[in-house]
Amino acid sequence: AQSVAQPEDQVNVAEGNPLTVKCTYSVSGNPYLFWYVQYPNRGLQFLLKYITGDNLVKGSYGFEAEFNKSQTSFHLKKPSALVSDSALYFCAVRDGTEGNAGKSTFGDGTTLTVKP
Amino acid sequence: DTGVSQDPRHKITKRGQNVTFRCDPISEHNRLYWYRQTLGQGPEFLTYFQNEAQLEKSRLLSDRFSAERPKGSFSTLEIQRTEQGDSAMYLCASSLRGVGASTEAFFGQGTRLTVV
Repeated sequence: AQSVAQPEDQVNVAEGNPLTVKCTYSVSGNPYLFWYVQYPNRGLQFLLKYITGDNLVKGSYGFEAEFNKSQTSFHLKKPSALVSDSALYFCAVRDGTEGNAGKSTFGDGTTLTVKP
Repeated sequence: DTGVSQDPRHKITKRGQNVTFRCDPISEHNRLYWYRQTLGQGPEFLTYFQNEAQLEKSRLLSDRFSAERPKGSFSTLEIQRTEQGDSAMYLCASSLRGVGASTEAFFGQGTRLTVV
C-alpha cells in the first residue's frame, strides 16, 4: 500500500518570500516521488521528481524539493515566491520496485496563494 | 500539440445514460492511466494499461466502468448507467516504460462529467 499526506490545505506567502509546501509519504518499496502543479482549467503539469541520487532535486520554474528518507518527507520549496506561482500543488508517490505496475498515489493537494 | 489529449472536455448526461470518453496518449508512450478527481481531492487511480493489456484496476472501478485500449494507442473509458456520484473530472495520463523511460506521467486536461 502507498499513501501521501499533504497536511496543509492552504499555504499563503508574500511575494519574494520563501515558500514550502509539505508532503509526507508511505510506500513499501522504493519511493519515486513527484510534484505536480494544477492551474485553473489546465491539466496537471509535472514539476520535479526524486528517483535516486541527490536528496535535493531541482525542477521547473525555480522549484526544488528535498527527499528525507528518515522523515519520509518530500517538501516542495522555492527561495523567492512569485504571484504567478499561485496554484494547486499535488505530491505523488509511486513504488519504484522493479515489476511494480507504476500507478501513482496522490495527496489531496495544497493551494498556494502568493500575495503581492 | 504532442501532449495527451482527451475528448470531450465536458459532458453533461442524465442519470442512467451511458457515456464514453476517449484519451489519445503521447504517441510513443506505452503506459496509459485513468484517474478520477473530485473537488478538493487529488486524482484517484482507476486503471492502467501497458500497451493493450489492462494490468491493474482499482476497487473504485465498479462493474459499470470499463476501459479499453484495443491497439495499444488510444483508450476509451465507458461508464454505463451513470449515477450522480460519477460526476467528476476524469483524467488520462501516459508514460514510457523501457529504453528512454519517463518515470513521470504526463496528464491530459481531463473530461469533466456532470450527471444530472
